[in-house]
Amino acid sequence: GENVEQHPSTLSVQEGDSAVIKCTYSDSASNYFPWYKQELGKGPQLIIDIRSNVGEKKDQRIAVTLNKTAKHFSLHITETQPEDSAVYFCAASTYNNNDMRFGAGTRLTVKP
Amino acid sequence: DAGVIQSPRHEVTEMGQEVTLRCKPISGHDYLFWYRQTMMRGLELLIYFNNNVPIDDSGMPEDRFSAKMPNASFSTLKIQPSEPRDSAVYFCASTPGQDSPLHFGNGTRLTVT
Repeated sequence: GENVEQHPSTLSVQEGDSAVIKCTYSDSASNYFPWYKQELGKGPQLIIDIRSNVGEKKDQRIAVTLNKTAKHFSLHITETQPEDSAVYFCAASTYNNNDMRFGAGTRLTVKP
Repeated sequence: DAGVIQSPRHEVTEMGQEVTLRCKPISGHDYLFWYRQTMMRGLELLIYFNNNVPIDDSGMPEDRFSAKMPNASFSTLKIQPSEPRDSAVYFCASTPGQDSPLHFGNGTRLTVT
């Protein structure tokens, strides 16, 4: 089955700097790659996703890149703000959600 | 849209007791998932339903765990008997269909003493 590796496990940046989180996956059939943000006491919330027919997607300060050949994808947050502090999860799946596998998470801390 | 609603938010019980977790998915979402989150194992898929029918329960740890979805607006996850190693945060998620994002509830934090 699919195996998703995520790193780093923790990341601390200064407000205004950029943050990058990287994930690799093992199943070449995976074609859907969402990113979730989880705040304390809440469930994961989708922040951006990308499908295999696209190499990059951007939404304001957040962008995701995908390299299918190398089987890795990354989350980029620019101009970080303290409210970006949370745990971020990457995930990968094929067409069916039932096989969605999550990375172990990255705890991002943005220092004011 | 109230989102996915889970209850209770916190549950503390003694080993051997029965625990029932509840979930109300977003109206119109045909798929419902139960996940368990722990520090050691991260987010694990336990079981998912499509149109109230269990499709894949291969993630259910053992026979002590059972899940039902009697109708499109309600699902339960039951643990009987509970054990300390079941302590975790249990999430319910729903989605309108395949190839769509999951919408998670805020979870139930279960502590078994």
